[in-house]
Amino acid sequence: KQEVTQIPAALSVPEGENLVLNCSFTDSAIYNLQWFRQDPGKGLTSLLLIQSSQREQTSGRLNASLDKSSGRSTLYIAASQPGDSATYLCALSNTGNQFYFGTGTSLTVIP
Amino acid sequence: EPEVTQTPSHQVTQMGQEVILRCVPISNHLYFYWYRQILGQKVEFLVSFYNNEISEKSEIFDDQFSVERPDGSNFTLKIRSTKLEDSAMYFCASPTRYEQYFGPGTRLTVT
Repeated sequence: KQEVTQIPAALSVPEGENLVLNCSFTDSAIYNLQWFRQDPGKGLTSLLLIQSSQREQTSGRLNASLDKSSGRSTLYIAASQPGDSATYLCALSNTGNQFYFGTGTSLTVIP
Repeated sequence: EPEVTQTPSHQVTQMGQEVILRCVPISNHLYFYWYRQILGQKVEFLVSFYNNEISEKSEIFDDQFSVERPDGSNFTLKIRSTKLEDSAMYFCASPTRYEQYFGPGTRLTVT
């Protein structure tokens, strides 16, 4: 069974800092990987999707990378802003069906 | 961006009562998923539904749970006799070939 781990569990940074969130997984035979943002008590907002044949995806200040051989993905956030404060979830699928989620990284950006 | 809707946003029920959670997925999507997130824990897969049949389910999805597509647009998750431990956020997801779009969730509180 796929196990997904996210480190750190919580992160606090001053505004303007660049940061990296980490996601590791045990089964490298993945179909795709998706990063989500979750605000307290809210739903899941999709940030970036990386298909198994891709190595990275970029959207604005966000960049996600995928290294299947090492079982890792990173989410890079450039020039962080207080509005980036949220929990970031990594999720992946082995078959294109159900997603396995990590426990998330809770990010606080201090003004 | 495609939108998935869920109702109600919050449901409070007494232990032992039946609840029905509703989801309207993205039009013309054939696959639907239900996930749940107990407060402070991972998002967990419950069940996937394809072409009016369950295609995959987790060990969480026991006989207390059922899914239906009562009409062409709605998609329901029924919990027959709720338990305290069923308190959670319940999300439906409507996938494309690679990406999952999540609804805003229903917060279920069992007292």
